[in-house]
Amino acid sequence: QKEVEQNSGPLSVPEGAIASLNCTYSDRGSQSFFWYRQYSGKSPELIMSIYSNGDKEDGRFTAQLNKASQYVSLLIRDSQPSDSATYLCAVYAGNMLTFGGGTRLMVKP
Amino acid sequence: DADVTQTPRNRITKTGKRIMLECSQTKGHDRMYWYRQDPGLGLRLIYYSFDVKDINKGEISDGYSVSRQAQAKFSLSLESAIPNQTALYFCATSDISEDTGELFFGEGSRLTVL
Repeated sequence: QKEVEQNSGPLSVPEGAIASLNCTYSDRGSQSFFWYRQYSGKSPELIMSIYSNGDKEDGRFTAQLNKASQYVSLLIRDSQPSDSATYLCAVYAGNMLTFGGGTRLMVKP
Repeated sequence: DADVTQTPRNRITKTGKRIMLECSQTKGHDRMYWYRQDPGLGLRLIYYSFDVKDINKGEISDGYSVSRQAQAKFSLSLESAIPNQTALYFCATSDISEDTGELFFGEGSRLTVL
């Protein structure tokens, strides 16, 4: 069974710090990798996608992918209280998107 | 208006009742999905459909059935609801022409089975 693993948290960081969220996956055939943000009681929304090894930056967000280690991460720079949410890692392989359990991030003012 | 609309948004029912959750979309996507979310378990796939004539079981299909009435409509049914089906249910769509795996979610349907 394809697996996507995340630390459930909560991960607590002070405002202005860097938050680092990690994800590992089991299927070496995985093609695409996504980070979704989900506020409590709301639907997930896509914040980052990454398809090749290395870093991809978008504003305060950086996604990092290492296919050899089967590892994908999300860095949030200058964390804000509004970043407090659950972050879901998702991995696409064989026409299917598999989600991790999510990491809850808390940014304290 | 939302591109992916789910009804009802909230439902409380009793064990043994039949429940239908409906999903409609205006995005023109061929692929539609039903996911279930429980605390700490992320999103688990119940059923998916790649076009009107294509229905596939996901990870946790037992106790559920679906109907793809049209390209824009995909319904999830619980024939005889049980308490462990209490969860937040999401419908999602994706674009087959892009085939990147990005999903577009509805606002969710919270179901409580007493």
